[in-house]
Amino acid sequence: EDKVVQSPLSLVVHEGDTVTLNCSYEVTNFRSLLWYKQEKKAPTFLFMLTSSGIERKSGRLSSILDKKELFSILNITATQTGDSAVYLCAVEGRGSTLGRLYFGRGTQLTVWP
Amino acid sequence: DAGVTQSPTHLIKTRGQQVTLRCSPISGHKSVSWYQQVLGQGPQFIFQYYEKEERGRGNFPDRFSARQFPNYSSELNVNALLLGDSALYLCASSFLQAEFYEQYFGPGTRLTVT
Repeated sequence: EDKVVQSPLSLVVHEGDTVTLNCSYEVTNFRSLLWYKQEKKAPTFLFMLTSSGIERKSGRLSSILDKKELFSILNITATQTGDSAVYLCAVEGRGSTLGRLYFGRGTQLTVWP
Repeated sequence: DAGVTQSPTHLIKTRGQQVTLRCSPISGHKSVSWYQQVLGQGPQFIFQYYEKEERGRGNFPDRFSARQFPNYSSELNVNALLLGDSALYLCASSFLQAEFYEQYFGPGTRLTVT
């Protein structure tokens, strides 16, 4: 059975700290790995990763994929209170499962001022 | 451009009732997927539709059904509601046929079954 595991499940830091969120996966016919931020309702798209070793960067957020070891990390530097949210990792398969996302449970990040 | 829209925002039903949730994808997107997110869990895949045909179905009972209309909007129906069906129901739309594409989520419908 396909599986996506995120760690830690919960993280509390202070503003200015740097955090690393982890996502490991076991998905047949892997196509892409996606990171989402969920604050209240709709998950909002952060990154899509398809190739190993290529870092995606957006402001203070960055992410990288290791297809050999089957994991990804999401880094947030100089955290702000607005970064408080649940961060979801999802993996998409190919072929008959194209477009179908398998999500992990998410990491609840709380940033204190 | 409007994002993915869903209606209603909130819904309260009693056990045994039936519910219909609606989703309108981003203009030009032909693929719509439905997910169920129970509190404290990640979203779980329910259905995927592309060009009005079902492309995939997750591990959900037959009480769950869906369809996609010619304008690519979609409905999710749940019959004989159970307490365990209480969740946030998310709709996502995408191009799907492009080499690289993103899936965009709507704000969701919060269903409470009492």
